[in-house]
Formats: sequence, structure tokens, C-alpha cells
Amino acid sequence: ETGVTQTPRHLVMGMTNKKSLKCEQHLGHNAMYWYKQSAKKPLELMFVYSLEERVENNSVPSRFSPECPNSSHLFLHLHTLQPEDSALYLCASSRLAGEYQETQYFGPGTRLLVL
Amino acid sequence: AQKVTQAQTEISVVEKEDVTLDCVYETRDTTYYLFWYKQPPSGELVFLIRRNSFDEQNEISGRYSWNFQKSTSSFNFTITASQVVDSAVYFCALRGVTGGGNKLTFGTGTQLKVEL
Repeated sequence: ETGVTQTPRHLVMGMTNKKSLKCEQHLGHNAMYWYKQSAKKPLELMFVYSLEERVENNSVPSRFSPECPNSSHLFLHLHTLQPEDSALYLCASSRLAGEYQETQYFGPGTRLLVL
Repeated sequence: AQKVTQAQTEISVVEKEDVTLDCVYETRDTTYYLFWYKQPPSGELVFLIRRNSFDEQNEISGRYSWNFQKSTSSFNFTITASQVVDSAVYFCALRGVTGGGNKLTFGTGTQLKVEL
């Protein structure tokens, strides 16, 4: 079952490039998340969108710019990245239960390499 | 503040052995949820189980079982008769319900290698 899909799966970009990561969920959820997973580090929550509004931005540099046009789609726009931004970027979605999020379901991730 | 500790960085077992992955958590919330996720080499985090803090009953699902003990703040995961396909990184996670309760706090993961 591919409830949450992400494209591209792999991306190599130079520091001056602009690219976008795309996430789509087919689970009828209304909250979406971006996480960064670097080698030997815990998953880092980057952004949270709830009902298409950004509710959390965990001190992420402005070179990462999220966009959530509707409850099924989430983008992460990238520009002038640094080599240390190379990581696996994971998208997740969940349903709102009252004011709280239920179980998060993850996509396969985009493995990003910045040269 | 919430914290999840997975002290075992890497475990190697031979196929058919049983293996237990440890998870210890800290939270000030009285209501909270605990999760286990599996991350195979493909990268996707696969949801395995969710428990709420009021349900200490242990759970078994096929070869997987979970032991939740509030007294020791632990939520351990046992794989019985391990198989090569169980090789993955396993993450324990915690979500409270107060303050920043929507945050899912992950442990650093345990890499499980199952060899023939």
C-alpha cells in the first residue's frame, strides 16, 4: 500500500540549484509533516501543516520553503542548499483527532545529495 | 520535555533467534502514546504499533510482541524467530498530549541485522 508517496526518490543538486520535493497522501488525512533524517542523528521535525496551515516551523533555515496547497499535497522548495543539507527527507501525514494528531504514516523519502 | 532512549545502536542475530529491542521514555504527560516504526533499507518508515498510556496490556502480532511497563517507562519490542527480512532500523517514538503534544519524539533507532 502506498498511502504516502514522495517524488523524486533520489536527487542530486548543486548548491546554486533550485528544486522541489513533492509529497502526496492518499489516506484522507488533514495534517502533513516534513522530517529530515541525517546519518547518525534522530529524525528532525522540520514543518507541520494542519488543515493546510503551517503550525510548526522548527527553526529551519529559509533555504527550505514548504508549501501545502491542499490537504493531500505538500512540497518542500529548496534553494542555495549546503552540503550539510544532504539527508533523507521524509514526508508523513496523519488525521486530526480533535486538536491532536493521530498516528503518522510516512512516505519512502527523498534521498538528497548536495554537491 | 519528552525523550526516547534506544540504548542499543546495533544488534546482530542469527536467523531464528529471538531478539528484544529496548525503548525507555521520559514524559511529564499522564496521557501519551508510544509507537514503533520499522525502517528497511528502502527508507520508508513503516508503522508497526501504537499504544496509549492507559493500556498496559502486552500485544502480540505474529512474531512481534510488545511489552509496555509504565513502572519502568519502557516499551520493549521482541521479534520471535527472527528472519533476514526483519533486518532494518527500528525506531521507538513518543507523543504526549500537552503543550507541544503533537510532536512525535523519536529515539535514535536500533539497527537490527539478521544473518543466515
